[in-house]
Amino acid sequence: SAVISQKPSRDICQRGTSLTIQCQVDSQVTMMFWYRQQPGQSLTLIATANQGSEATYESGFVIDKFPISRPNLTFSTLTVSNMSPEDSSIYLCSVGTDFLYEQYFGPGTRLTVT
Amino acid sequence: GDSVTQMEGPVTLSEEAFLTINCTYTATGYPSLFWYVQYPGEGLQLLLKATKADDKGSNKGFEATYRKETTSFHLEKGSVQVSDSAVYFCAGGNYGQNFVFGPGTRLSVLP
Repeated sequence: SAVISQKPSRDICQRGTSLTIQCQVDSQVTMMFWYRQQPGQSLTLIATANQGSEATYESGFVIDKFPISRPNLTFSTLTVSNMSPEDSSIYLCSVGTDFLYEQYFGPGTRLTVT
Repeated sequence: GDSVTQMEGPVTLSEEAFLTINCTYTATGYPSLFWYVQYPGEGLQLLLKATKADDKGSNKGFEATYRKETTSFHLEKGSVQVSDSAVYFCAGGNYGQNFVFGPGTRLSVLP
């Protein structure tokens, strides 16, 4: 399994600002994903981060609000732009393996928007 | 689209009690099925998985068997401990497609 770290682990931000979350993996992986987990809820996939091309966004999520970068096979960032209190959630990075088809998750970033 | 139906919580048990959390997956094919666990304040950890019918996944005393006829993957443990208190998520997906997660079941084990 892969070891995944996320920075920051938590943050409190003001309305209208932006926060960039980093995800680092200890090995090269093909698939990286970003999820949102709202308080007491399940996980919702935001997008698949593709290396060398634009991210693939799920319905309800747009690039202007959640820009994603994937400069190489071990690193990705998710930016939450122009934040509002509704963006208060846990944001989780995960990675997938090609042949085992499993996903491994980072510890998450707990974001509170005031 | 694909969906996961999972037993709603919260579930409260006494230590050493038997645990069952039901999960069924609705899909066009036969996906791989997973159980993830989320301990308080942490991310998700893969608990166990099954990739085809009749497969049994097991880990840390937990077991789940992939029942093809019902696409079910119920999680069981014979004797729960206080340290098993967490939120459990059932998930599934076909290769090349995105995972679908259930709503999660919160388990509290009392000493």
